[in-house]
Amino acid sequence: IAGITQAPTSQILAAGRRMTLRCTQDMRHNAMYWYRQDLGLGLRLIHYSNTAGTTGKGEVPDGYSVSRANTDDFPLTLASAVPSQTSVYFCASSMEGSTDTQYFGPGTRLTVL
Amino acid sequence: RKEVEQDPGPFNVPEGATVAFNCTYSNSASQSFFWYRQDCRKEPKLLMSVYSSGNEDGRFTAQLNRASQYISLLIRDSKLSDSATYLCVVNQAGTALIFGKGTTLSVSS
Repeated sequence: IAGITQAPTSQILAAGRRMTLRCTQDMRHNAMYWYRQDLGLGLRLIHYSNTAGTTGKGEVPDGYSVSRANTDDFPLTLASAVPSQTSVYFCASSMEGSTDTQYFGPGTRLTVL
Repeated sequence: RKEVEQDPGPFNVPEGATVAFNCTYSNSASQSFFWYRQDCRKEPKLLMSVYSSGNEDGRFTAQLNRASQYISLLIRDSKLSDSATYLCVVNQAGTALIFGKGTTLSVSS
């Protein structure tokens, strides 16, 4: 692995189903982030983690949960998907916190029907 | 006022043209500033950081005006490969980066 990876690449999901988007980085970055990107709205922060064991809410956290059990992994879970969660989801990481450069994964395209 | 505002464009320019993008931010306590580039259906990638003294990277020049809370990106001698969306990014102290919605550039031959 080089950098930051996400899985799956894309997914079509029935409303009401539970879904976990995976994110893994091998850069030993302390901070990780989840964004969603929607046409006309730009990138919006869902949740973040400044270091393993801690998480925080971003601009649009409702309907999403995260965990940070170790440095490398930062999964995003939709407990009960709704159509408004149809979006492109990007995971990102940075060495430290908000003043540092962020590196993005390739994204997951999620469609909730 | 939105936290980070950009002209969405699109900017349509011929190869070789010089083009400038502007961005304003609302939080005067912001500390870090970046320009990211995003190609269609791809992830954003860092183009360059923006420093108070201004900085240049090849054909790209970034400027910051803290008094006016204004950031700019100048691209000289545009190439076809410069076609992308350019995101202005500002930090919000203590939390995370705030992204503008992006300015779309299309360079044609």
